[in-house]
Amino acid sequence: GNSVTQMEGPVTLSEEAFLTINCTYTATGYPSLFWYVQYPGEGLQLLLKATKADDKGSNKGFEATYRKETTSFHLEKGSVQVSDSAVYFCALTTPNFGNEKLTFGTGTRLTIIP
Amino acid sequence: KAGVTQTPRYLIKTRGQQVTLSCSPISGHRSVSWYQQTPGQGLQFLFEYFSETQRNKGNFPGRFSGRQFSNSRSEMNVSTLELGDSALYLCASSPRKGGGSQDEQYFGPGTRLTVT
Repeated sequence: GNSVTQMEGPVTLSEEAFLTINCTYTATGYPSLFWYVQYPGEGLQLLLKATKADDKGSNKGFEATYRKETTSFHLEKGSVQVSDSAVYFCALTTPNFGNEKLTFGTGTRLTIIP
Repeated sequence: KAGVTQTPRYLIKTRGQQVTLSCSPISGHRSVSWYQQTPGQGLQFLFEYFSETQRNKGNFPGRFSGRQFSNSRSEMNVSTLELGDSALYLCASSPRKGGGSQDEQYFGPGTRLTVT
């Protein structure tokens, strides 16, 4: 079956620090990979995605590259802001004749200190 | 376009009762999925509906059920509530234009269910 492993949180960084949140996966088939973000009291928002090997998804200064050889999709940002404080989820889907569903990692809580 | 809406946003129920949650997808989206989010288990897939048919189901007991209407709105029902059903229930819609795993899912704000 499919599974996603994220680095354990919580992660606390100072403003303008470099961020990496590790994500690795196992999948049956050729997955599409996603990062979702959840701000306090809200639902999940799609942050970025990548659908094939070596694709780089990017949005709002965040980036992640689909690495098939290492089955990874690490999230990075060069300079974090206080407003980036949230929970980040790595997720995947694999083709399943229209019956795809998202498999999520456990989430990583990120806190940015001014 | 309006986003995914869920009602109610907060709900308190007693053990043994039943509850119905509602989800209105983004206009034009035909697929609606439901997820349960808890601190201990994280995000877990409940089921997906497409064109009023359940297409996919997660590993939850039969107390959890759902349905979808012809306008793509969806409801999920939980009968005989247990304390462990306390969670944030998230609904997500997707266009599912051609099927396939590349479709993005757009999430609503969730319904926070507390069972006492």
